[in-house]
Amino acid sequence: KNEVEQSPQNLTAQEGEFITINCSYSVGISALHWLQQHPGGGIVSLFMLSSGKKKHGRLIATINIQEKHSSLHITASHPRDSAVYICAARSGGGADGLTFGKGTHLIIQP
Amino acid sequence: EPEVTQTPSHQVTQMGQEVILRCVPISNHLYFYWYRQILGQKVEFLVSFYNNEISEKSEIFDDQFSVERPDGSNFTLKIRSTKLEDSAMYFCASTYRVRSRGEQFFGPGTRLTVL
Repeated sequence: KNEVEQSPQNLTAQEGEFITINCSYSVGISALHWLQQHPGGGIVSLFMLSSGKKKHGRLIATINIQEKHSSLHITASHPRDSAVYICAARSGGGADGLTFGKGTHLIIQP
Repeated sequence: EPEVTQTPSHQVTQMGQEVILRCVPISNHLYFYWYRQILGQKVEFLVSFYNNEISEKSEIFDDQFSVERPDGSNFTLKIRSTKLEDSAMYFCASTYRVRSRGEQFFGPGTRLTVL
């Protein structure tokens, strides 16, 4: 069974700061997802990674398969980035459900 | 842009009652999932569904739970006799790729409150 750990659990930063959220998992995976959850509860998929690095706007996600570690970075953070960021791992093929981390609660202050 | 929809957004029920949560996945998607999130806790996998049968289920998905795709568009989660601890947000998700690493698209969730 995969264990997914995230750090930090809570992060408060000032607008414009560079943000890093870390995720580690215990067993090999086929893909790692980064998700965003807003206060209303809805979940939005940000990235799906199986290797290397992906970038979308101010968001960058990286994964190191050998070290079983992934990071989510936010450049030039903005108050609208405030949300819970969740990493989730999938162990097998397309049918396997995701194993979620507890999430990182990010607050960006103006 | 296509999206996963869920109804109702909030369901309140009495303990012991049956509830059916409904989801309409994105139309060309082939894999369907249910997840739940108890307030203040992490999201947990319940079940995945492909080709009209369950592909995988977690320990949480016991005999009180069932899933069905009654027609070409809806995907439902039934809880036969609700317990207080079933109170949670239930998310439906879908993905379109077969035997691949498809991105999962989540619905907005149904908040279930069991009294």
